[in-house]
Amino acid sequence: NAGVMQNPRHLVRRRGQEARLRCSPMKGHSHVYWYRQLPEEGLKFMVYLQKENIIDESGMPKERFSAEFPKEGPSILRIQQVVRGDSAAYFCASSPRRQGTNTEAFFGQGTRLTVV
Amino acid sequence: GENVEQHPSTLSVQEGDSAVIKCTYSDSASNYFPWYKQELGKRPQLIIDIRSNVGEKKDQRIAVTLNKTAKHFSLHITETQPEDSAVYFCAVLSGSARQLTFGSGTQLTVLP
Repeated sequence: NAGVMQNPRHLVRRRGQEARLRCSPMKGHSHVYWYRQLPEEGLKFMVYLQKENIIDESGMPKERFSAEFPKEGPSILRIQQVVRGDSAAYFCASSPRRQGTNTEAFFGQGTRLTVV
Repeated sequence: GENVEQHPSTLSVQEGDSAVIKCTYSDSASNYFPWYKQELGKRPQLIIDIRSNVGEKKDQRIAVTLNKTAKHFSLHITETQPEDSAVYFCAVLSGSARQLTFGSGTQLTVLP
């Protein structure tokens, strides 16, 4: 059973371009969480999705950021018109049930986005 | 929302000594408290967790204690080894939240 897979591992974008980050959860996991980690900081929650539904997007900026988790395929975090402040590591985690309900959330290796 | 504070931000100990990292939280309804270890350039990995109905949990050299009244919990690592060097994050799941709130992390360095 492969772990949570994120790609790409590293992504470089020029200001104004779009960034697409992909997350394939572990097999059997239908809950996906995206976190952002700025250099030397903790993980900040962005969005929580279940298949085809956004459950909680309270941590995601209202503009330029969007996320989806379609019925088939990986979850995608999309950042439009990137700015230098978007440079960070973006981690995805998945779990078979909601976090904390006797279940562990497993993290992917992250995507390190650099905006130049 | 939940507010989680973690101290210290950096900690250096000699190999074989103990290390203690503390976190405080604000929501008294919080009920799940995991600790994650993140090595440089790698993913966060769960090392131990505790639920609100338990005061202490131990797994070999690591232990976590929870004081619900004071709203703080701590990670204890005994007999530290160089491979324990990493960033450690505490996290809290509050009663009404659907996701974890993380502390700002502690960079632990174990000196040989």
